[in-house]
Amino acid sequence: ETGVTQTPRHLVMGMTNKKSLKCEQHLGHNAMYWYKQSAKKPLELMFVYNFKEQTENNSVPSRFSPECPNSSHLFLHLHTLQPEDSALYLCASSQGWLAELADTQYFGPGTRLTVL
Amino acid sequence: SQQGEEDPQALSIQEGENATMNCSYKTSINNLQWYRQNSGRGLVHLILIRSNEREKHSGRLRVTLDTSKKSSSLLITASRAADTASYFCATDEGSGDKLTFGTGTRLAVRP
Repeated sequence: ETGVTQTPRHLVMGMTNKKSLKCEQHLGHNAMYWYKQSAKKPLELMFVYNFKEQTENNSVPSRFSPECPNSSHLFLHLHTLQPEDSALYLCASSQGWLAELADTQYFGPGTRLTVL
Repeated sequence: SQQGEEDPQALSIQEGENATMNCSYKTSINNLQWYRQNSGRGLVHLILIRSNEREKHSGRLRVTLDTSKKSSSLLITASRAADTASYFCATDEGSGDKLTFGTGTRLAVRP
């Protein structure tokens, strides 16, 4: 148990559906991240939020829309996805820029997304 | 090639043996980290080594860093079947809030 939870753990959706992934961290961290992990590819950073401000958008298509209402919660809103978006989506948190150990990230268990 | 590339891609050893994984990177770094991932699960942070450190230990883990060669190694001693997982190195890019991961080494420890 890393202190980062993700729901749902599994999600199957059609290309016309709208769904949201949720991440919550109980570590008092100020930075949160979304990653995409596809088979045989390196972990891809999607978004970074630091103190609720988005500081990184790694050229992610607009069909993925992040939301960070506070430092403890992070959402990824999904709409009109493509089959190639099927992957494991991982959320992580870290202390944030101002902390000495800002670089250590704590990961949630992930959401396995299948787009039909 | 990728920042933070692991070698080998896959490794199979007998329980009790040592496992060594290597990571190479391209740009200067402030620190390098190793993570472990069980199949289909999230990553778990194992160890962080800073650019001014050459070696670090944590339990059965030993990490070395050679900044002149831009490489790091992770040694797991006296391996156990429970060590079966994928292992990733990750490097920062100086910003502190962004890590770049490699494709990982899949370790299988046979009982």
